[in-house]
Amino acid sequence: SYELTQPPSVSVSPGQTVSITCSGDELGDKHPCWYQQKPGQSPVLVIYEENKRPSGIPERFSGSNSGNTATLTISGTQAMDEADYYCQAWDSSTGVFGAGTKVTVL
Amino acid sequence: EVQLVQSGAEMKKPGESLRISCKGSGYSFSYSYITWVRQMPGKGLEWMGTIDPNDSSSNYSPSFQGHVTFSADRSISTAFLQWSSLEASDTAMYYCAKHPTTAYPFDYWGQGTLVTVSS
Repeated sequence: SYELTQPPSVSVSPGQTVSITCSGDELGDKHPCWYQQKPGQSPVLVIYEENKRPSGIPERFSGSNSGNTATLTISGTQAMDEADYYCQAWDSSTGVFGAGTKVTVL
Repeated sequence: EVQLVQSGAEMKKPGESLRISCKGSGYSFSYSYITWVRQMPGKGLEWMGTIDPNDSSSNYSPSFQGHVTFSADRSISTAFLQWSSLEASDTAMYYCAKHPTTAYPFDYWGQGTLVTVSS
């Protein structure tokens, strides 16, 4: 079955930039996107179609894709960005989530 | 305003049956897919499968095939997730999410339904 690999955790200082990677075979062809989930809340879509942001998502969130890797970047990280981030892709008609990356704002 | 409103928390015993719901509003229910996502306590998101409310055709993850059933009632804009025999390992938060079709992102999510299975 198709798998997506994310680092379990990353840490960042307020105001700095943090990038989270998601790796999978031919991931760029599988419509990767990113979700943010804060404790006790439902996931929220933050990036789709490589670098598109839904309405209401701050500009500091951006994305990129390159071959087998999708990257979510948070620029000027704020304390409110502390959350779990999940990449998600489609392998044919099957949805797949990465295991998630916990972003800690120190 | 687009909303997915899920039914309330459930506490069940092993072997019991259960159906939880996800009611859509603010959009054309028949023309967006509903995906169900499981999140076990302290764990990540798992794609369970997708239903097309227009014709109730479903695609299940192999991990859940045969253990759960998806259904939808277009007349009340509601999708359902059903178990015929719960197990303790079904204890989790279950989310529904909508998306235009397969290979599109999940643009709106329900608030989640907590299912607890314990003897």
